Amino acid sequence: EPEVTQTPSHQVTQMGQEVILRCVPISNHLYFYWYRQILGQKVEFLVSFYNNEISEKSEIFDDQFSVERPDGSNFTLKIRSTKLEDSAMYFCASRSDRAYSNQPQHFGDGTRLSIL
Amino acid sequence: AQTVTQSQPEMSVQEAETVTLSCTYDTSESDYYLFWYKQPPSRQMILVIRQEAYKQQNATENRFSVNFQKAAKSFSLKISDSQLGDAAMYFCAYRITQGGSEKLVFGKGTKLTVNP
Repeated sequence: EPEVTQTPSHQVTQMGQEVILRCVPISNHLYFYWYRQILGQKVEFLVSFYNNEISEKSEIFDDQFSVERPDGSNFTLKIRSTKLEDSAMYFCASRSDRAYSNQPQHFGDGTRLSIL
Repeated sequence: AQTVTQSQPEMSVQEAETVTLSCTYDTSESDYYLFWYKQPPSRQMILVIRQEAYKQQNATENRFSVNFQKAAKSFSLKISDSQLGDAAMYFCAYRITQGGSEKLVFGKGTKLTVNP
């Protein structure tokens, strides 16, 4: 069964550094998402992406964050200047088909980001 | 605003027994989707089951079934014949669709322990 693939599985970065989290969504999917889960807390929506532009972003997704689909397969989340509070598990998800359909979002295994 | 509430932070069940995890949500929409995701210690997010609000019939996937009470805005998950591999965090999620974009709103999760 096709999977959403995320790399790296664990990223350790110094505070203030830029970090790029990578995701390869399922190949025929059209909608892409990033979620964040701070340790011990619930999963929170960050951003959705469709047709090469952001569809919606949460208040968490400030100017330090950006997303990009640089080619036909990758979907990246960049944090420009990391802060300690950015330490979390970051999940990429993708979904096929059109809006309002019953297709679920499929999640990757996540990237654990640790800011020192 | 749509919210999802999981009132049981932790639950335990004996192997081979049945357990029910509760979830309630708040919405003014009439048509929506609900999901249960499982997050084992490996931290990946796995779709367990989904329910379309317009369907009166409760969804079933092998040992997993839901009790969907639309009027009460309740969406509980029943796990029958519990297995050790069912031990995980379980998240209830509501799908918000607005203006062609969508996102998932998660509850805080229920940690399920399966005792041998």
